[in-house]
Amino acid sequence: GPKVLQIPSHQIIDMGQMVTLNCDPVSNHLYFYWYKQILGQQMEFLVNFYNGKVMEKSKLFKDQFSVERPDGSYFTLKIQPTALEDSAVYFCASSSYWGSYEQYFGPGTRLTVL
Amino acid sequence: GQQVQQSPTSLVLQEGENAELQCNFSTSLNSMQWFYQRPGGSLISVFYNPSGTKQSGRLTSTTVIKERRSSLHISSSQITDSGTYLCAMGGSNAKLTFGKGTKLSVKS
Repeated sequence: GPKVLQIPSHQIIDMGQMVTLNCDPVSNHLYFYWYKQILGQQMEFLVNFYNGKVMEKSKLFKDQFSVERPDGSYFTLKIQPTALEDSAVYFCASSSYWGSYEQYFGPGTRLTVL
Repeated sequence: GQQVQQSPTSLVLQEGENAELQCNFSTSLNSMQWFYQRPGGSLISVFYNPSGTKQSGRLTSTTVIKERRSSLHISSSQITDSGTYLCAMGGSNAKLTFGKGTKLSVKS
């Protein structure tokens, strides 16, 4: 079936540094999402993105977070600067339409902030 | 806001037994997905099932919109079915709200 790729699979960085998580969504999908899962906890929505704009973001999407998809390349989540509480697995998803349609998830990027 | 309740929180089965996992939603839904999450954390889509019944092999999902619930039935469980099963609902917006999951352990 359709696949979403995420790069890297693991990332370890020092607190205060910048990190960029990359997502290669399903070809021809137009809607993109990031979710966050702290180890052992519930998966939570961070942000969704369409046509170059953030459509909705949650309280977890702090000012240090940003997303973009320049020129149809990777859909990225940037955290600058990182904090200890940003340690989690970040999942990217994409869908072909808005709302009541299936979202396809990537394998996740495990981020460890030291 | 949207809330998703999953039950049971954990389940231990003997190989060959059947499992019934439940998901209840606090608001009306437009989309509904079941996922299997491996112990290592990777997520596998099991069903996209916003309404009605779908079957794939030993797995069956039934979503009843009016009752705001969905179920996942696993028949003849196998050891390899062990892991965490997550349900997620989408409302009128395009974000998914996840339940806390059911941790399934199948023993020989």
